Amino acid sequence: NAGVMQNPRHLVRRRGQEARLRCSPMKGHSHVYWYRQLPEEGLKFMVYLQKENIIDESGMPKERFSAEFPKEGPSILRIQQVVRGDSAAYFCASSPRPEGGYTFGSGTRLTVV
Amino acid sequence: GEDVEQSLFLSVREGDSSVINCTYTDSSSTYLYWYKQEPGAGLQLLTYIFSNMDMKQDQRLTVLLNKKDKHLSLRIADTQTGDSAIYFCAESGPPGGNTGKLIFGQGTTLQVKP
Repeated sequence: NAGVMQNPRHLVRRRGQEARLRCSPMKGHSHVYWYRQLPEEGLKFMVYLQKENIIDESGMPKERFSAEFPKEGPSILRIQQVVRGDSAAYFCASSPRPEGGYTFGSGTRLTVV
Repeated sequence: GEDVEQSLFLSVREGDSSVINCTYTDSSSTYLYWYKQEPGAGLQLLTYIFSNMDMKQDQRLTVLLNKKDKHLSLRIADTQTGDSAIYFCAESGPPGGNTGKLIFGQGTTLQVKP
């Protein structure tokens, strides 16, 4: 059973471009969480999704950021018109239930130049 | 609001015990977790403790919870160079309202010297 798979591992975007980060949860897991880790900081919660539904997006910036978890396929975190401040590591986690202690992917490191 | 605080850095010699401390503010937390992050990697769940427990032991790891002081610690016995990493404590939400959202501390970098 493969772990949580995130791709790409590294992503470089120019200011103003779009970034799409993908997360495939572990088999049988229908709950997905996205976190952002800024340099030298801990992880900050962004959004919690269950299949086809956004349950809690209290940590998502109001503009430019969106997330989805379709019935088929991976969860996508989309950042439009990226700015330098979006440079960070973005981690996805999945769980069979809405509770912590979940498994994280290896992250996508986004660099905005 | 919810907040989790950790000391930023700890250096120990190989074979010694390491104690990483964490304080939190949300007294209604259900579970408290310790995660380990190695360079360039994701977070690995090390252990967790339910909020009605005082202590949990798992091989070289001992978690102590002082609920009155909202203080959590992770003790690593016989620390090895492979234990060098960043350690994060995290708390989850209250019973019944738990969506699995975690509040993380800023991480403690553990340096193990040979």
